[in-house]
Amino acid sequence: DTGVSQDPRHKITKRGQNVTFRCDPISEHNRLYWYRQTLGQGPEFLTYFQNEAQLEKSRLLSDRFSAERPKGSFSTLEIQRTEQGDSAMYLCASSPGTNQETQYFGPGTRLLVL
Amino acid sequence: AQTVTQSQPEMSVQEAETVTLSCTYDTSESNYYLFWYKQPPSRQMILVIRQEAYKQQNATENRFSVNFQKAAKSFSLKISDSQLGDTAMYFCAFMKNWENDMRFGAGTRLTVKP
Repeated sequence: DTGVSQDPRHKITKRGQNVTFRCDPISEHNRLYWYRQTLGQGPEFLTYFQNEAQLEKSRLLSDRFSAERPKGSFSTLEIQRTEQGDSAMYLCASSPGTNQETQYFGPGTRLLVL
Repeated sequence: AQTVTQSQPEMSVQEAETVTLSCTYDTSESNYYLFWYKQPPSRQMILVIRQEAYKQQNATENRFSVNFQKAAKSFSLKISDSQLGDTAMYFCAFMKNWENDMRFGAGTRLTVKP
C-alpha cells in the first residue's frame, strides 16, 4: 500500500503529558500537511511542509505544538503538556508538490486527553 | 477570511435515487479551487471531485457532478444512482490560488438507504 500512513491510529493520554504522532506521506510527494478535526466539524489546517521546510503555520498551532519533517520524508507532530481541548483527530495529507494538487489524506490519529 | 458553509448537517436518499448536497462559500478572490471530499465511517478521507474557478464547465466524475455558480458562490454536489457505499460524511473545501490552506465546511452526513 503506497497511501499516506499515520501512527498511532489511536492515543489516550493524561492531561499534561507529551504525545508525538508520525505521518508517512506518499513516496515522492514533496508537500505534507497537518490538519485537526474535532467531532462534528471539518478539518482545520495546522501547518504544511515543502520538503523539509515548514512554510506555513496556522494560528491554531500554539506554542505547545511543534511539527518537523527533518529529511523531507516522514513528519512528526508533537503536542507538549496536552490539554483536554487537544482531543481531536489529527490528519496528515500529502501532495506531489505543485500548487492546487489534490491532497491525499491518511487515516488520522485520534487523540483523547483525559 | 474564506468561509465554507454546508447548510445540511444530515441527508438521506434511497438507493438508486439522486441527491444534491449544498455548499456556499465566501471569498473576495477570483482564482481559487473547490473540492468535495468523502469520509466514510472510520475510514480516511478521499477526494470525490474538484473544480477550478476559472473553468466554466462543471466538473463530473462518473456518478458525481457539481453545479458551480461562481457569481452566487455556490458549489453543490449531485450524486446520481446513489449506492450504499456512498454513505459517508461529505465535506466541501475551498483553497485560494497559490496557497495551501484548505478551508473545509462542517460536513453533511449522507445516508443511503436500501
